[in-house]
Amino acid sequence: DAEITQSPRHKITETGRQVTLACHQTWNHNNMFWYRQDLGHGLRLIHYSYGVQDTNKGEVSDGYSVSRSNTEDLPLTLESAASSQTSVYFCASSDPTSGALSFGPGTRLTVL
Amino acid sequence: SQQGEEDPQALSIQEGENATMNCSYKTSINNLQWYRQNSGRGLVHLILIRSNEREKHSGRLRVTLDTSKKSSSLLITASRAADTASYFCATGANSGGGADGLTFGKGTHLIIQP
Repeated sequence: DAEITQSPRHKITETGRQVTLACHQTWNHNNMFWYRQDLGHGLRLIHYSYGVQDTNKGEVSDGYSVSRSNTEDLPLTLESAASSQTSVYFCASSDPTSGALSFGPGTRLTVL
Repeated sequence: SQQGEEDPQALSIQEGENATMNCSYKTSINNLQWYRQNSGRGLVHLILIRSNEREKHSGRLRVTLDTSKKSSSLLITASRAADTASYFCATGANSGGGADGLTFGKGTHLIIQP
């Protein structure tokens, strides 16, 4: 069955370090997204991509970057981790017909 | 900023009862979607309703959409303990899979008491 996987599932890092969260989907979807989920804020869009070599900023993109070198992967990089980036991060891809999102299991990131 | 806003923030009912959650939004939409999130998991898509539809059913789920009031409701009938989860509405401004049009609310936390 097609799926989205994220790794690592849990990560603890220190302020100022570069961190990369991996996202891999086997749906063969062109559209992929990164969201962060925080108590009191719900889900907020960080970056998204409509296909290979395409990336776009979302609502809360400062301090984050993504790259899309193939259809399956959209890694999220925190250039210099900050405590405000402690959160749960979800990757998703969308069905091209309906726009319904399929989510990965999430990565819980703690920045100390 | 969030487009959709769910109401209530939390809901606790007895198993077997019906659960109703509401979602209000501010701008024009192409579609509205409902998702479920179990504790510690990713969101799961439940149902999508397009702006030209008024009601949609899927199993024990019933969704209504009133574009004049910019609101939607999700009804879960004959609730079960396994329905305990957070429920989110998400509004899409674009047709198809356009990401820039999908905005989530903060969710309703539903607890089903056995």
